[in-house]
Amino acid sequence: EIVMTQSPATLSVSPGERATLSCRASQSVSSNLAWYQQKPGQAPRLLIYGASTRATGIPARFSGSGSGTEFTLTISSLQSEDFAVYYCQQYNNWLTWTFGQGTKVEIK
Amino acid sequence: QVQLVQSGAEVKKPGASVKVSCKASGYTFTSYDINWVRQATGQGLEWMGWMNPNSGNTGYAQKFQGRVTMTRNTSISTAYMELSSLRSEDTAVYYCARVGGPTLDYWGQGTLVTVSS
Repeated sequence: EIVMTQSPATLSVSPGERATLSCRASQSVSSNLAWYQQKPGQAPRLLIYGASTRATGIPARFSGSGSGTEFTLTISSLQSEDFAVYYCQQYNNWLTWTFGQGTKVEIK
Repeated sequence: QVQLVQSGAEVKKPGASVKVSCKASGYTFTSYDINWVRQATGQGLEWMGWMNPNSGNTGYAQKFQGRVTMTRNTSISTAYMELSSLRSEDTAVYYCARVGGPTLDYWGQGTLVTVSS
């Protein structure tokens, strides 16, 4: 099973600042990497797939990069609605999709 | 618009089974795979398995092999996930999600399953 490790566990950021979240895979997942946002009491929402392609309706302040084992989600200027938990997920290995443990982005 | 509407919360005793439903609307049900993901309280997301609503083919995460069954009723555009031999560690919110493009693009609202004696 591919293990996804996210860092940091918690990121404290002020509104308007830039946030950078990391995700590392235990083996290469090529570009088969997605990012999700989850707010309390809600289902996850797809932000990025293919490591860098924004899903429909996702604002341009969200961007993804990386390939192989190292990935980054950047939120260029945090808005109040962006404070949430973010998960990365690999879908490279069929029948063994795995998620990272999440990064909580909180207000500083 | 695409919607996945799940059945309501359940309380089960250890050793029992639970069956959660996921009704799809706004798209052709048989054209997109359905996956199931669960989340224990305060924890991360755990992928459980996959079903092709057209063929009925399924694939399950090794952890759930032998305990989970995913089925569908195409006449009512509904997918089901049944988990048996429940234990307290199975207490979680269970989500269905559609595979659009390469991964999970639409999610149900979640169903809380509580396992308690």
